[in-house]
Amino acid sequence: AQTVTQSQPEMSVQEAETVTLSCTYDTSENNYYLFWYKQPPSRQMILVIRQEAYKQQNATENRFSVNFQKAAKSFSLKISDSQLGDTAMYFCAFMKRSDSWGKLQFGAGTQVVVTP
Amino acid sequence: NAGVTQTPKFQVLKTGQSMTLQCAQDMNHNSMYWYRQDPGMGLRLIYYSASEGTTDKGEVPNGYNVSRLNKREFSLRLESAAPSQTSVYFCASSERGGYTFGSGTRLTVV
Repeated sequence: AQTVTQSQPEMSVQEAETVTLSCTYDTSENNYYLFWYKQPPSRQMILVIRQEAYKQQNATENRFSVNFQKAAKSFSLKISDSQLGDTAMYFCAFMKRSDSWGKLQFGAGTQVVVTP
Repeated sequence: NAGVTQTPKFQVLKTGQSMTLQCAQDMNHNSMYWYRQDPGMGLRLIYYSASEGTTDKGEVPNGYNVSRLNKREFSLRLESAAPSQTSVYFCASSERGGYTFGSGTRLTVV
């Protein structure tokens, strides 16, 4: 079974600053996907970024980037130039590529608060 | 394009009451899921349906039943609600790893 660990329950960052969220996972699989989801107060689950384990290049989406360290089983998310709208709960998630049914294993989440 | 639609958005039940959470998707996805979200625990899989006509237990299935009525609809039933089932419930659908979530149902059991 896979486990996903987010060790930071809450992080605070000022507008325009950078914050990094940590995520580690445990798996014996070699092919898998990793995700970061954002959940604002509206409760909607929004995909922030997706990384395929066989790709060495770190994924980037605008101000969001990841540092994927496959050997260390680490998948951190960096939010650059933080904006008030980035205030949300952030979840790291894992999916086996061999799992055609697409079940996601989530971490406990990190609450990010962006202050003016 | 509505995506994944869940009803109701909020519900309060008394202990022992039953109810069904409805979920429908219009993206022609084969796979559908029910997750529950509790503080400090992230989202946990209750049941999933790989395709029409099949359902399987996830991580926390006790106290729940599901029905995959057709390709579009996947319902979650609580036969006898318990306070431990107070949670936010999410339905989702996926195809080739691309996930779409519903907006969630906040359920309180008193």
